[in-house]
Amino acid sequence: GAGVSQSPRYKVAKRGQDVALRCDPISGHVSLFWYQQALGQGPEFLTYFQNEAQLDKSGLPSDRFFAERPEGSVSTLKIQRTQQEDSAVYLCASRFIEDTEAFFGQGTRLTVV
Amino acid sequence: AQSVTQLGSHVSVSEGALVLLRCNYSSSVPPYLFWYVQYPNQGLQLLLKYTTGATLVKGINGFEAEFKKSETSFHLTKPSAHMSDAAEYFCAVSARGSSNTGKLIFGQGTTLQVKP
Repeated sequence: GAGVSQSPRYKVAKRGQDVALRCDPISGHVSLFWYQQALGQGPEFLTYFQNEAQLDKSGLPSDRFFAERPEGSVSTLKIQRTQQEDSAVYLCASRFIEDTEAFFGQGTRLTVV
Repeated sequence: AQSVTQLGSHVSVSEGALVLLRCNYSSSVPPYLFWYVQYPNQGLQLLLKYTTGATLVKGINGFEAEFKKSETSFHLTKPSAHMSDAAEYFCAVSARGSSNTGKLIFGQGTTLQVKP
């Protein structure tokens, strides 16, 4: 596609429910990042993939958060047993190689009720 | 550890006036520096970045920023504000070095309001 695509755009989950957020990066982009943006805050790094390898997951806030990119293209961020503090916009970004611009998707707004 | 501070969570200017959004960073080694813009319900768009070379960087939409190592600053400016500039602006840093992933550390953001 022309840009980074994220789905769904909006997700409402009941507390305790599991959710899966999808990111389709720009075709051919090697690197993929996930960020969490709480209301009124700047994005915070969650995890980084180079192809299918998850090289940095230092930003994942708890073991309820899990990300994968099994074939080095589409990535899924999964949150188990969602809690209210998980409510945020989840942004995905991809870039071709190191030292090139990262392009961001429009994000998925997750609301946990 | 790296950090970014954006002074002023909300800046209001009149159309045609100078825009100045402040950003200071903390890092043991000068990092890569970025400014992003975010329109409502949109992702982040890169305005400009500093990696090396000339310290005055020109970006899209008439914005520019100057890297000042002695002040650890990377303030964003635009000579004349336009109504379409109203948005959220984020300063970000990324560590240098081949072992770094390129992950971005963002400031809290500054909301720019442009009054007619």
